[in-house]
Parts: sequence; structure tokens; C-alpha cells
Amino acid sequence: EVQLVETGGGLVQPGRSLKLSCVASGFTFSNYWMYWIRQAPGKGLEWVSSINSDGGSTYYPDSVKGRFTISRDNAENTIYLQMNSLRSEDTATYYCAKGGNYYFDYWGQGVMVTVSS
Amino acid sequence: DIVMTQGALPNPVPSGESASITCQSSKSLLHSNGKTYLNWYLQRPGQSPQLLIYWMSTRSSGVSDRFSGSGSGTDFTLKISSVEAEDVGVYYCQQFLEYPRTFGGGTKLELK
Repeated sequence: EVQLVETGGGLVQPGRSLKLSCVASGFTFSNYWMYWIRQAPGKGLEWVSSINSDGGSTYYPDSVKGRFTISRDNAENTIYLQMNSLRSEDTATYYCAKGGNYYFDYWGQGVMVTVSS
Repeated sequence: DIVMTQGALPNPVPSGESASITCQSSKSLLHSNGKTYLNWYLQRPGQSPQLLIYWMSTRSSGVSDRFSGSGSGTDFTLKISSVEAEDVGVYYCQQFLEYPRTFGGGTKLELK
């Protein structure tokens, strides 16, 4: 059974940093792209970042480019999201997702990040 | 960026009736390999999204055959035949053709 468990969320002041983790199990982690997707309170879904299977390629939307960094440790079956220079508009539930063949086929339960002074 | 626009449902939908959710993309999602990279997800209340349909019309593993996807390069429909209580939630379409990956705004289904 595929499981994705996100941790690291919390309350952080604007301009500060936070690092999220997602531990995966139930599949051969090193074979798959992984993603972060977020959802602001009461709003829709926004793709935040992608990382390929060996960690050599990463992608971001303009809204987080230069501030967020996705990485992975295939030995630990874990992906990370380093979030710097946080803004109030980054307040959201952050989901880790496993990549299928051009779709997100499994999602974690999400972790809440609140950016507020 | 590819903009995804979803239609609304005439809520609430009577139990046992069918419901169709529309989604339109600002650019054709048809890849040169013949696949159309349009996906559908359902987010039930208080839960994470789950994949329903990928490549416009292929049901994900374990998804009821009451769900079907269809469309062209830019206009898509998710049909739910005989709506049940477990179908309540918000449905999202999403394109996987280009970066940035983008979602529609969501369509809420309520049951009567």
C-alpha cells in the first residue's frame, strides 16, 4: 500500500524559513517523480514543485521560484521542500504526491503551513 | 500558462441522477503521441484529493465505472452516472501537458 506522510508544518513569521518532509512507502521510491501541491484555506489546488526520480531535475511555478527548493533522498525514501522568504500567501495545506505517467496518482494527508506575524 | 476553466453543477443533484462536469483548457492538451494529458481528481470533504481519471478517459485503479471521462483537445467532460453519497466533494481537472501544471478552480457536487 502506497503511503505518503508529510511533516514539518506549523506557524512561521513572514520572511522566515520552513522545511517540509514527506516519507514514502509501499513502492520503489527511486523510480518515480515526486511533487508538492498546495491548497490555501478554502481555495483550489496549486502545483508547487516537481522532482525527477534521481533528483537531477526540478521545476517550479513563478510564484515560488527562487524561494522554494525541492530535493530528495532516495536512500531514505523522502522528499523535502525548503521554503524561504515565506509570505502570507504561502499559507496553505501542502500535499506530497507520487507521480504516475503524467498524473498525480497518490497524495499524502497534507501538512498545514501558516505564515503570520 | 494553460488556463483550466471548470463549469458549475446545478446543485444539489438528486441521488441516482447523473451529473456532468465540464472543463475547458486554453490550449489543446493533445500530445503528439496521441494522448490527451487531462486528469480528474475528487477531493471529498476533509480528505486529500484522489485521482479518478487520467489521459482524459482512463479510470484510475479502483475507481467506480460510474465515472467516465471524455472530450476533445480543449473541451472535457467528467460524467458521473447514478450519483451516490460518496461522490460528494469538489472535482478538479488538471493538465499535465506543460509547465506550470495547472488545475481548474474546482466544481462542487452536493447531493439532494
